[in-house]
Amino acid sequence: DIQMTQSPSTLSASVGDRVTITCRASQSISSWLAWYQQKPGIAPKLLIYKASTLETGVPSRFSGSGSGTEFTLTISSLQPDDFATYYCQQYSSYSTFGQGTKVEMK
Amino acid sequence: EVQLVESGGGLVKPGGSLRLSCAASGFTFSTYSMNWVRQAPGKGLEWVSFISFSSSQIYYADSLKGRFTISRDNAKNLLFLQMNSLTADDTAVYYCARVKGQLWSDLWGQGTLVTVSS
Repeated sequence: DIQMTQSPSTLSASVGDRVTITCRASQSISSWLAWYQQKPGIAPKLLIYKASTLETGVPSRFSGSGSGTEFTLTISSLQPDDFATYYCQQYSSYSTFGQGTKVEMK
Repeated sequence: EVQLVESGGGLVKPGGSLRLSCAASGFTFSTYSMNWVRQAPGKGLEWVSFISFSSSQIYYADSLKGRFTISRDNAKNLLFLQMNSLTADDTAVYYCARVKGQLWSDLWGQGTLVTVSS
């Protein structure tokens, strides 16, 4: 099984900050990676797929990069609506999610 | 409106069975593959199972050990998850999700809670 490790587990930030979340795969997954945002009690929302392709309707302050085993999700200027938990998902071999990164208010 | 609506969750005793359903509307269900994903209380997301649009490809997470069965009825726009030999570790919100491209999901239901407890 491919394991996905996100860091940090929790991130404290302020509105306007640039935020970066890292996701590492236990083996190469090419660019077969997606990112999701989830708020409490609500289903996840797709942000990015194929490592760097922005889903339709997602604000351009979100971006993804990386390939192989290391990937990043960047929020260029954190907005109030962005405080949430973020998950990466590999789909190179079946599917595995990272453990999540909670972005909280500093 | 494009949506997925899960049902069938509830309280079940350890060792019991439950069948979840997911009703799709607003899109051509028969042309999309589907996922089940679960989330234990206070925990992260866990992929459970995948079924292709024609049911020709079916995958499961290794951790399920053959206890779950995914199926679909394209004529009725329904997705199912049959869950047997349930344990407390299966307690979670179960989401159905539409697959776009590979195994990533662009549309999710609201989830249905399964609680396994005596």
